[in-house]
Amino acid sequence: QSALTQPRSVSGSPGQSVTISCTGTSSDVGGYNYVSWYQQHPGKAPKLMIYDVSKRPSGVPDRFSGSKSGNTASLTISGLQAEDEADYYCCSYAGSYVVFGGGTKLTVL
Amino acid sequence: EVQLVESGGGLVKPGGSLRLSCAASGFTFSSYSMNWVRQAPGKGLEWVSSISSSSSYIYYADSVKGRFTISRDNAKNSLYLQMNSLRAEDTAVYYCAREAVTYIDYWGQGTLVTVSS
Repeated sequence: QSALTQPRSVSGSPGQSVTISCTGTSSDVGGYNYVSWYQQHPGKAPKLMIYDVSKRPSGVPDRFSGSKSGNTASLTISGLQAEDEADYYCCSYAGSYVVFGGGTKLTVL
Repeated sequence: EVQLVESGGGLVKPGGSLRLSCAASGFTFSSYSMNWVRQAPGKGLEWVSSISSSSSYIYYADSVKGRFTISRDNAKNSLYLQMNSLRAEDTAVYYCAREAVTYIDYWGQGTLVTVSS
């Protein structure tokens, strides 16, 4: 049940694209297509942005996309906007447990 | 509209106990697995426990196994977390969260638990 590995921070200018990686093991990220991504603004509850690796819930802009290769999942945000500045967490279902990444702070310059 | 409202947080001494509750509304509670997820101040999210819709399957993080007990009452649309032998490192905001089989789709606003003497 070790936490998934994410970069502590990423940044980009408005209009640019950024990608956040999430590395696990063959027991979690690599073993299931059940990676989800959450956005969290300060003092707020997390919000689902991507589920099952690449699916977007209704209401989430198509600027947000997800992918996976082996034991590493990625969240890409294109056309960065000021309101995208937040913490982002990946998550993997792994059968009998759930594991989150350590979180990545996205700064929009 | 899905609503999850946690309650029961507060200040407790190390070694003490606390019971968190989560009142669910806006969906058929008895059809969904539920989770507790916590977040220590300034830290990331940590999954704590999950319970299936009929309470048949219950899982815990290693960090709380043997100390915390998750339960639910489908007649009352409520989820619970009994926390015993609390430690300073259990200090966190505790979120109640609905599970959509392979991911968490809705979160409550959280309740703060502080373990301190």
